[in-house]
Amino acid sequence: DADVTQTPRNRITKTGKRIMLECSQTKGHDRMYWYRQDPGLGLQLIYYSFDVKDINKGEISDGYSVSRQAQAKFSLSLESAIPNQTALYFCATSGTPGTDQETQYFGPGTRLLVL
Amino acid sequence: AQSVSQHNHHVILSEAASLELGCNYSYGGTVNLFWYVQYPGQHLQLLLKYFSGDPLVKGIKGFEAEFIKSKFSFNLRKPSVQWSDTAEYFCAVSGHSSYKLIFGSGTRLLVRP
Repeated sequence: DADVTQTPRNRITKTGKRIMLECSQTKGHDRMYWYRQDPGLGLQLIYYSFDVKDINKGEISDGYSVSRQAQAKFSLSLESAIPNQTALYFCATSGTPGTDQETQYFGPGTRLLVL
Repeated sequence: AQSVSQHNHHVILSEAASLELGCNYSYGGTVNLFWYVQYPGQHLQLLLKYFSGDPLVKGIKGFEAEFIKSKFSFNLRKPSVQWSDTAEYFCAVSGHSSYKLIFGSGTRLLVRP
């Protein structure tokens, strides 16, 4: 969805390096999410944020941190990358719960390879 | 435990064949149900969703899904597939007003011309 953008789209890094993945949205949604996708496992939630001051851990937050710089921006950091963090990372956004806006919309993904 | 099961991991069809992808969920309470599609090299796109009302939901590109509450199922169907339907399909469930979207492991569909 063009309303949700992610940078970079592809990244190769080495073990131990710090990496930041960025997500921006123009949908005006309050809620933002970071997922990772591994083959055969579907998507797993890393972190989520309901607004700028509300950040929460998801299922697999170990080794990751996030920053919600503004309503429209949500960054994911790997403080010290390791090879098993090689995956496809997706950002998503959603709007007001209890309405049609609570559907999650996904960005194009960042493919990360940790050597 | 909350979970989504997609029975077929890989499906191969010829063009014009009919498609049905199975999805069963385990979730307490009222649910929202989704099918997302991921075309090769692209991001997840919403194919269709069910929040309430008519259990037969129509989505984009001729896809439809039926919510059968008694069977905890939300199977995806298309009467006649095209080569361009080659993609990975994900079923997902969330509770009403819940942030948490639980995904199945996906079904890879290959449509042969």
